Amino acid sequence: DIQMTQSPSSLSASVGDRVTITCRTSQSITGYLNWYQQKLGKAPKLLIYAASSLESGVPSRFSGSGSGTDFTLTISSLQPEDFATYYCQQSYSTPWTFGQGTKVEIK
Amino acid sequence: EVQLVQSGAEVKKAGESLKISCKASGYRFTSYWIGWVRQMPGKGLEWMGIIYPDDSDTRYSPSFQGQVTISADKSISTAYLQWSSLKASDTGMYYCARPVRCRDGVCAGGMDVWGQGTTVTVSS
Repeated sequence: DIQMTQSPSSLSASVGDRVTITCRTSQSITGYLNWYQQKLGKAPKLLIYAASSLESGVPSRFSGSGSGTDFTLTISSLQPEDFATYYCQQSYSTPWTFGQGTKVEIK
Repeated sequence: EVQLVQSGAEVKKAGESLKISCKASGYRFTSYWIGWVRQMPGKGLEWMGIIYPDDSDTRYSPSFQGQVTISADKSISTAYLQWSSLKASDTGMYYCARPVRCRDGVCAGGMDVWGQGTTVTVSS
């Protein structure tokens, strides 16, 4: 199985801050890396697919980068509605796997 | 509108069987994989497996292989997740989701549509 290491596990940030979350995989997954946002009590929402493609309807302050084993999700200017938990997920080979999650909290 | 609508919350006893459902609408059910994801209380997301309804090709996570059965009925555009003998550790939220941009089980598009989730509570 491909192992996912996501960091940090949590962070505190203020509205307007630039936030970066990283995800490292145990072997190369080329660009098959996706990012999700989950708010409390809700289903996850796809933000970024194929490492850097923005899902339709997702604000442009979200961006993704990386390839191989190292990936990054960046929120350029954190908004109040962005406080949530974020997960990376690889879809390169089954079993697909998720990162442990990063909880973004208000500072 | 593309939608996945899951069956309602379940409360069961350990040892009982259960089958929960995920009804798809708004797209051609047989042309997309559909997957299941578990979230235990207060924990992260765990990928359980996927099925391609057209031919029932199914891939399981080793963590769930033999513990659950994923199936689909293409005549009613519905996917299922079932247990033959529940354990207290099966308590959690279960989501179905649709992976996109797939070829031979490798999906470049992530899971773009999710069901609302089904809560399963198993008492010992």
